[in-house]
Amino acid sequence: GAVVSQHPSWVICKSGTSVKIECRSLDFQATTMFWYRQFPKQSLMLMATSNEGSKATYEQGVEKDKFLINHASLTLSTLTVTSAHPEDSSFYICSAPPGNDYGYTFGSGTRLTVV
Amino acid sequence: GNSVTQMEGPVTLSEEAFLTINCTYTATGYPSLFWYVQYPGEGLQLLLKATKADDKGSNKGFEATYRKETTSFHLEKGSVQVSDSAVYFCALRPFTGGGNKLTFGTGTQLKVEL
Repeated sequence: GAVVSQHPSWVICKSGTSVKIECRSLDFQATTMFWYRQFPKQSLMLMATSNEGSKATYEQGVEKDKFLINHASLTLSTLTVTSAHPEDSSFYICSAPPGNDYGYTFGSGTRLTVV
Repeated sequence: GNSVTQMEGPVTLSEEAFLTINCTYTATGYPSLFWYVQYPGEGLQLLLKATKADDKGSNKGFEATYRKETTSFHLEKGSVQVSDSAVYFCALRPFTGGGNKLTFGTGTQLKVEL
């Protein structure tokens, strides 16, 4: 079945540094990738939608300059958290529609801790 | 706009008990409906789906029926196991528009005890 590989699974970084999270579609081409943020015991908040070869579409209230999204190829989308602060600590998950009309495939998530 | 409402958790059950997690939705037309499961520290996995009224999705003993008349998609399982402990999300994809975006409910945590 369709698989999205997300890494790293967890990362700890210092305040002020940047962290890159990668999501790769392994057996299908993902022209679109959704990036979510999940706070503890809460639902998923859609941050942005990346589209291969074009600029990402950000949801209202999401800082474009802090959360840089790149979708350089049909199999790779990246989220870079720039100048990270402790309040950026969260669980980030990517998701791609696999090409059929229904199921969406999710990455395994990245636990980001900023210290 | 589109929305999904789930019952609040956590839901705590004994092993082999019957499970129901309620989900209702608001959307125009005929959205596709999904249940996803999230185990601790992991991403979401598709549990089951239904794409039109009266469809029943089923997987791993879980079932949910798309009820247009009550705009519901309740998740059920006849006999839960400890391994079913997870967070369950109901979601919809609009029939038209929305850019393929899923709308999620808030999630319901299920705890199954021996």
